[in-house]
Amino acid sequence: DTGVSQNPRHKITKRGQNVTFRCDPISEHNRLYWYRQTLGQGPEFLTYFQNEAQLEKSRLLSDRFSAERPKGSFSTLEIQRTEQGDSAMYLCASSHFFGQSFGGNTIYFGEGSWLTVV
Amino acid sequence: QKEVEQNSGPLSVPEGAIASLNCTYSDRGSQSFFWYRQYSGKSPELIMFIYSNGDKEDGRFTAQLNKASQYVSLLIRDSQPSDSATYLCAVMGYSGAGSYQLTFGKGTKLSVIP
Repeated sequence: DTGVSQNPRHKITKRGQNVTFRCDPISEHNRLYWYRQTLGQGPEFLTYFQNEAQLEKSRLLSDRFSAERPKGSFSTLEIQRTEQGDSAMYLCASSHFFGQSFGGNTIYFGEGSWLTVV
Repeated sequence: QKEVEQNSGPLSVPEGAIASLNCTYSDRGSQSFFWYRQYSGKSPELIMFIYSNGDKEDGRFTAQLNKASQYVSLLIRDSQPSDSATYLCAVMGYSGAGSYQLTFGKGTKLSVIP
């Protein structure tokens, strides 16, 4: 099964440390998304890429967060100087975008990366 | 600010009954509507999407869309204990500069009682 793959699945870090998450999307998908989800909330959009271009970033994405997708395949999300408020599940998702046709942008999620900042 | 509203629940139904989950959205220009299921501690799993007014059926699941009322629902027939999960409504809308974005509700927790 070549679904969206994320690692590490769990990360515990001390406040102030940097962490990096990796996402490998479904192979034929050209779009890759990062979302964040906290307990009792729905996923919140952070950023997305089409191929290697980062097309949109949420206002939620502070300057401590940076995402890359250098070759249009896998992506990394780095959080610098982590804070306790960064504790959440970080979800990567991908889709095959083939135009603005309705339903043509169905997004599939990976299993998520849990971050705990202590 | 585009909003997607869901009753947080929990919604409890007996096994074999129909579970009805509802969602309203604020952006009248929204184009596609998705239902995801999320088990505790797991990531969201796509159930189905709908983009035309009316009903769309897939097995035990039926999605209903009414764009005039800005309302989308999910019906689960013959509910099973394994359907117990949080159901997330997500709406695809235009976010500017040629970009579309998926906005999620907070989810409704469904509990199917054996």
